[in-house]
Amino acid sequence: KAGVTQTPRYLIKTRGQQVTLSCSPISGHRSVSWYQQTPGQGLQFLFEYFSETQRNKGNFPGRFSGRQFSNSRSEMNVSTLELGDSALYLCASSLVVGDIQYFGAGTRLSVL
Amino acid sequence: GESVGLHLPTLSVQEGDNSIINCAYSNSASDYFIWYKQESGKGPQFIIDIRSNMDKRQGQRVTVLLNKTVKHLSLQIAATQPGDSAVYFCAENYNTDKLIFGTGTRLQVFP
Repeated sequence: KAGVTQTPRYLIKTRGQQVTLSCSPISGHRSVSWYQQTPGQGLQFLFEYFSETQRNKGNFPGRFSGRQFSNSRSEMNVSTLELGDSALYLCASSLVVGDIQYFGAGTRLSVL
Repeated sequence: GESVGLHLPTLSVQEGDNSIINCAYSNSASDYFIWYKQESGKGPQFIIDIRSNMDKRQGQRVTVLLNKTVKHLSLQIAATQPGDSAVYFCAENYNTDKLIFGTGTRLQVFP
């Protein structure tokens, strides 16, 4: 069974641009969570989706948004990028909310 | 590879020794706990989990201990190997809500 797939692996953007990251969960998993990981702040929860509905949201500005499709694939979008948005963005999937989360390799975003 | 954290607490152990990584969790009502391992350049990988109705659970070379009285979780790795070098995170789950991750501990194994 294939693991969680995140695309792209690396991305370079400039301030003010917007970016969309994609996540394909493990087959059969209906919950997808997104995290931001930086050296200074560690793993910070962004949001979680289950059956196309956002179930939980972390403490991030409205520039960060996401969605989940009927096939459980998820995307997150960051608008008006800032230098501080440079980070590793991790997606994790689980069968249901609160279950073991399995992570993808992440998308490394660099904002110049 | 990419650095997961520049200011993480670090545990250095000699190959073959046992390692103990500690974690203090925040919510006394949390009922499910997970340990993850993150190697450089990779996403966190599930190691072992434990529910609050247990105080010990064993896996292959790993044991998780839960002390609910002091809200403390530990991961013991037997006969530590160079491949165990990574950052280890504990995570707690309260009321089947989102997972809350600890800050992580870097494990360095030297020959």
